[in-house]
Amino acid sequence: EDKVVQSPLSLVVHEGDTVTLNCSYEVTNFRSLLWYKQEKKAPTFLFMLTSSGIEKKSGRLSSILDKKELFSILNITATQTGDSAVYLCAVVFRTTNFGNEKLTFGTGTRLTIIP
Amino acid sequence: NAGVTQTPKFQVLKTGQSMTLQCAQDMNHEYMSWYRQDPGMGLRLIHYSVGAGITDQGEVPNGYNVSRSTTEDFPLRLLSAAPSQTSVYFCASSYGQRATNEKLFFGSGTQLSVL
Repeated sequence: EDKVVQSPLSLVVHEGDTVTLNCSYEVTNFRSLLWYKQEKKAPTFLFMLTSSGIEKKSGRLSSILDKKELFSILNITATQTGDSAVYLCAVVFRTTNFGNEKLTFGTGTRLTIIP
Repeated sequence: NAGVTQTPKFQVLKTGQSMTLQCAQDMNHEYMSWYRQDPGMGLRLIHYSVGAGITDQGEVPNGYNVSRSTTEDFPLRLLSAAPSQTSVYFCASSYGQRATNEKLFFGSGTQLSVL
């Protein structure tokens, strides 16, 4: 069964701390992995990763993919209260070699930053 | 530039009633999808479409129907609402027929309660 597992489920840290969020997956015909941030409403896109070992960065956020070990991490340095959100990992894959692509989400990590 | 528009934002139904959640996008995206989000379950794919006239099932399709008669619209029909369908529903679209062509654009969500 195709699945995406995120850990931890929730995390509470103090402002200024660095956090690492994890996403592991088991899918057939992997295509890419995406990270989203969800505050109150719709998820907003952070990163898309398709190649192993290439770090994507945006300000204090960075992410990397390991296609051999089937996981990705999302790092946030010098956290701020505005980083409080649910962070979702999603994997795009084909169910068969020539099938349509599907996008499956993990359950998310709820990050709370204490001032 | 409207993006992905979902209506209604809130809906309360009685068990057994039917209704349609509307989703429209004005970005000429081929890929459109419906997700439901429940506490502790993350976003789960209900149905998706890779173009007009083409739809396929996701992880949790039972109790829902979709159709794609135009590129712009992708309505989700609840045939006979059940309390288990109480959830937040998100419509999402992306460019091209592949989920990985570009990031997903999400609508603002529909909060549905079935009594």
